[in-house]
Amino acid sequence: DAKTTQPTSMDCAEGRAANLPCNHSTISGNEYVYWYRQIHSQGPQYIIHGLKNNETNEMASLIITEDRKSSTLILPHATLRDTAVYYCIAFVYGGSQGNLIFGKGTKLSVKP
Amino acid sequence: KAGVTQTPRYLIKTRGQQVTLSCSPISGHRSVSWYQQTPGQGLQFLFEYFSETQRNKGNFPGRFSGRQFSNSRSEMNVSTLELGDSALYLCASTQFSDGGNEAFFGQGTRLTVV
Repeated sequence: DAKTTQPTSMDCAEGRAANLPCNHSTISGNEYVYWYRQIHSQGPQYIIHGLKNNETNEMASLIITEDRKSSTLILPHATLRDTAVYYCIAFVYGGSQGNLIFGKGTKLSVKP
Repeated sequence: KAGVTQTPRYLIKTRGQQVTLSCSPISGHRSVSWYQQTPGQGLQFLFEYFSETQRNKGNFPGRFSGRQFSNSRSEMNVSTLELGDSALYLCASTQFSDGGNEAFFGQGTRLTVV
């Protein structure tokens, strides 16, 4: 699975958009970009995933660059409850390495 | 529909004992993965089961084992517990073994070894 690089921490003002970047320059053609978040001491929560096209759901938007070497997770109106560690993972399920590899993630702090 | 259920939520064991943790995946999900999370090492993959077969295994000693039943429920066992096994153990279920499928995690079992 491709390695991803994320900033260690970020701050965001409540009500503003939070833009979390992720670099995955070695991603292979069949690997999806997944985003999860983990609020303290809870299980990771799935947010969104995509392959090539930008994706949007009720939680967030995922913008993937045309060359697929980086992506940005956008939380459009961050709330205090969005404070969590956000993980970006490049992964293809069902392959020989069928497991998510979690890095250190980005600790997002949403401030009032 | 119900989410991933892990039992028990908290457990305290003595060094040298063994422990069994249980995971009930989301109905219809055939793949179950186990992860260990510690402050020092973060989230680390233990193993994955699909249709009662272990398909992938992480880099953990043989004291860590698991199995999956015909109803997709899974158990993991840790024998001869060490202090360093204290961690949050997380289970995730996925519907199908193909790209683009998301994994759903349970709330975890927090194991403390004393």
